[in-house]
Order: sequence, then C-alpha cells, then structure tokens
Amino acid sequence: GESVGLHLPTLSVQEGDNSIINCAYSNSASDYFIWYKQESGKGPQFIIDIRSNMDKRQGQRVTVLLNKTVKHLSLQIAATQPGDSAVYFCAEKNTGRRALTFGSGTRLQVQP
Amino acid sequence: EPEVTQTPSHQVTQMGQEVILRCVPISNHLYFYWYRQILGQKVEFLVSFYNNEISEKSEIFDDQFSVERPDGSNFTLKIRSTKLEDSAMYFCASSELAGGVNEQFFGPGTRLTVL
Repeated sequence: GESVGLHLPTLSVQEGDNSIINCAYSNSASDYFIWYKQESGKGPQFIIDIRSNMDKRQGQRVTVLLNKTVKHLSLQIAATQPGDSAVYFCAEKNTGRRALTFGSGTRLQVQP
Repeated sequence: EPEVTQTPSHQVTQMGQEVILRCVPISNHLYFYWYRQILGQKVEFLVSFYNNEISEKSEIFDDQFSVERPDGSNFTLKIRSTKLEDSAMYFCASSELAGGVNEQFFGPGTRLTVL
C-alpha cells in the first residue's frame, strides 16, 4: 500500500507487507529530515533521519528516501508488523535553527 | 536507556489559572525544547533553551509562556493565565550538544486540559 502525501491520513496494510509513507515538505532551506513514530498516548519516537546531502538512508527494516528536486520524503517499512501501527510524522529542520517543523502525520494500521 | 520524563501526565486546570509543566531531560543533554500538540493536529514547536536562556521561540510562545531550568535536572514550562485553547499535549524534548544536527528525544507528554 502507498499513501500519496499526507492528504491520506490513514494507511492500512497487511502484516508482512511493505509500507510506504510519504511526506511533502515546503521549505527548500531544510537540510535535515526525520521520521518520528507516535503511538497512542506517547511522545514522538525517533525512527530515522537523513541529511540533505543524501538521498537514501537505511536502518533496521526502515529506509528513508529524499527527493530534494520535488521536496518529497518517504519512509519505507519492510515486512510491516502489528507493532508498527502508529502515527508517523515527518519533520524538517534547517541549519541554524533548533526547531523541528512537523508534518500532519499518517496513521499506519497493520492488519493481522 | 536514558529517557526524558515529564510530570504530571495529565493536568486539569481552570481558565485563568497558572500551570507549571515539568520535565527532566536526559542528563548529558544541553538543549531543551517544548512542543505542543493540539488533539488531532501536528506537533508544533514552542521554544528551545540552551545555556540558561531561550535560543529560539515560535509565534505561539507569547508573553503568557515562560521556561526555566530551576536546578541541574528540571526544565519547566509555565503558562501564566491559561486559556481554553491552551488545551493540548505538551512534549518536552532534549538533545546533546555536538557538531551538526542532534536527535531530539521526546518525553511522554503532559496532557493539559483547561476548563
């Protein structure tokens, strides 16, 4: 399953499938991007980050892709598990600032 | 694993009252932050704090808000005269001081309900 931007607030996938969550950012000056996972009643939890001088970064079961030309960021989760069910936020930051600017979030629902 | 802690988990207050939200950042971190999240909306930056002073703040962080590091472990957010629209989850975060970017670690949040 694939969500296009954050206009689709919920992404439902089957356990074991790969998930792709997308994010469009607006600030071309942003040079650092992060994906956070937020479970119900908890604070945002860091998943993976990427700097603007990279276009891909891999972690454990997760991959972040950055396309600066179209200002698009995606999070790929391999072999999605029920524990991956949460709201996923992209966030951006630019050099010289400490503030993170968060996107609207996408809810990922993993069906067993 | 070290974590950011926040108290209380839920605060209910009457409009016009002052509230203080408390945070204990990760011990070796030097940058501290407050964010808020109104129900169903995105997380919004309020303020960052370093070396005992505000380093950056957003438009939301007006004169009714203040932050303080009263001792070596706590970091507080005070809202002087709460309004209904201040009802939100308030998240504290902290990060190390190092070259380049620093991952911000978030606490579990305090749910503030203004009646």
